[in-house]
Amino acid sequence: GAVVSQHPSRVICKSGTSVKIECRSLDFQATTMFWYRQFPKKSLMLMATSNEGSKATYEQGVEKDKFLINHASLTLSTLTVTSAHPEDSSFYICSAKGLADLAKNIQYFGAGTRLSVL
Amino acid sequence: AQTVTQSQPEMSVQEAETVTLSCTYDTSENNYYLFWYKQPPSRQMILVIRQEAYKQQNATENRFSVNFQKAAKSFSLKISDSQLGDTAMYFCAFRISGGYQKVTFGTGTKLQVIP
Repeated sequence: GAVVSQHPSRVICKSGTSVKIECRSLDFQATTMFWYRQFPKKSLMLMATSNEGSKATYEQGVEKDKFLINHASLTLSTLTVTSAHPEDSSFYICSAKGLADLAKNIQYFGAGTRLSVL
Repeated sequence: AQTVTQSQPEMSVQEAETVTLSCTYDTSENNYYLFWYKQPPSRQMILVIRQEAYKQQNATENRFSVNFQKAAKSFSLKISDSQLGDTAMYFCAFRISGGYQKVTFGTGTKLQVIP
């Protein structure tokens, strides 16, 4: 199946700093990437949808200035958590969807990033 | 708006036995996809099985099969011959077909396979 690589898997940062998380599709072109947040023992909450070359579409209640998403190429999307605070600590997961038959209509997920803000 | 409901927060099954996880959804759409995803302790989300709403035949993937009841808006997952590696959170998910429609996830069922 299609592979999505997410990096880093774990990051610890100080309050007030910014953290960048990368999501790469390794063997297919991802026209659309999704960023989710998962709280402990909870379901995935969609934060935003990004299409290559255009601005991300944020879900209601998600601060676009705090969670900056860039999808500059067909294989890479980044999520930057700006001025991180302890309440931003969470598990962040990306997924990707491509045009190729293999990935059509199916989202492939990265392994997630655990962010801990001290 | 679409909603996905998983009414079983936790379940357990003896190794080699069969278990069924329930999922119901609500939508006014006619064309959509349904999915079951598995999230093991590693947290990597893995697609287990998918079903197109226009297909009457239930999807099957090896030991995993679904019972798709479109009129009842029910989409249960049956795991046969349960294995220890099946221990995970299982999420039912829904997506309208076409475009870049987002996926809506249920709250998950934690499945424990007991040796």
